[in-house]
Amino acid sequence: KNEVEQSPQNLTAQEGEFITINCSYSVGISALHWLQQHPGGGIVSLFMLSSGKKKHGRLIATINIQEKHSSLHITASHPRDSAVYICAVRGADGLTFGKGTHLIIQP
Amino acid sequence: EPEVTQTPSHQVTQMGQEVILRCVPISNHLYFYWYRQILGQKVEFLVSFYNNEISEKSEIFDDQFSVERPDGSNFTLKIRSTKLEDSAMYFCASRGQSNQPQHFGDGTRLSIL
Repeated sequence: KNEVEQSPQNLTAQEGEFITINCSYSVGISALHWLQQHPGGGIVSLFMLSSGKKKHGRLIATINIQEKHSSLHITASHPRDSAVYICAVRGADGLTFGKGTHLIIQP
Repeated sequence: EPEVTQTPSHQVTQMGQEVILRCVPISNHLYFYWYRQILGQKVEFLVSFYNNEISEKSEIFDDQFSVERPDGSNFTLKIRSTKLEDSAMYFCASRGQSNQPQHFGDGTRLSIL
C-alpha cells in the first residue's frame, strides 16, 4: 500500500510570497494528482501528472518519478489561495491521498 | 463547464437506516468513483466503477455498501444499515479517458444520529 506524505502540514505566508508544498510517496504510481479543498469542503482537481512539469496560471506542479516526489508551487500568492492542498497518487489500488497541507495566505 | 453534481448536500439519518447518496457524473465520462472524508481526516478511496461494474474497491467498502448506475446518468452509493462511524463527507468523482483528471462533486455531508 502506498504511503503518501505531505509537507508542511500547515503553512502561513504573506500575500505575494512564493509557496512550495511537497509530496512524497513510497510505491511506483501511474499518476499523481494535486487537489484543492476549500473550507466548504468541495474538492477541485488542479493537476494530474505522470512526469515532468505542468503550469496553470500561478500554479506549477512538478514530479520526479525516480525520487517519488512531487512539488506544488504557487507564485505571487493571494489570500484566495488559502485552502487545503491535497496530493493523491494513483496506484494499483485506486487513489491514495495525503493528509493535506493547510495553507493560509495573509493580506 | 460541465460539473459533477451530488444530492443531497446534507443528509441526516438515524443509525440503522438505509441511505442513498446520489451523483450525476459528467455526461460523457466513463469512470466513476466514491470517496469518503471523515471530519478532520484525509480523503479515502471507497470504490471505482467502469463499464457497469466495480473495478476496484477498498477494504472500507464492505457488504454494507453498494453502488449502482441505474439509468445511465445517476451513480448512487447505498449504505444499508448505517452506523455512527459512517458520518462523513462523501465525494463522487468522474473522469473521461484514463489519461484525464477526475472531476469531483461538492460532496454530501452524511450525519448519522
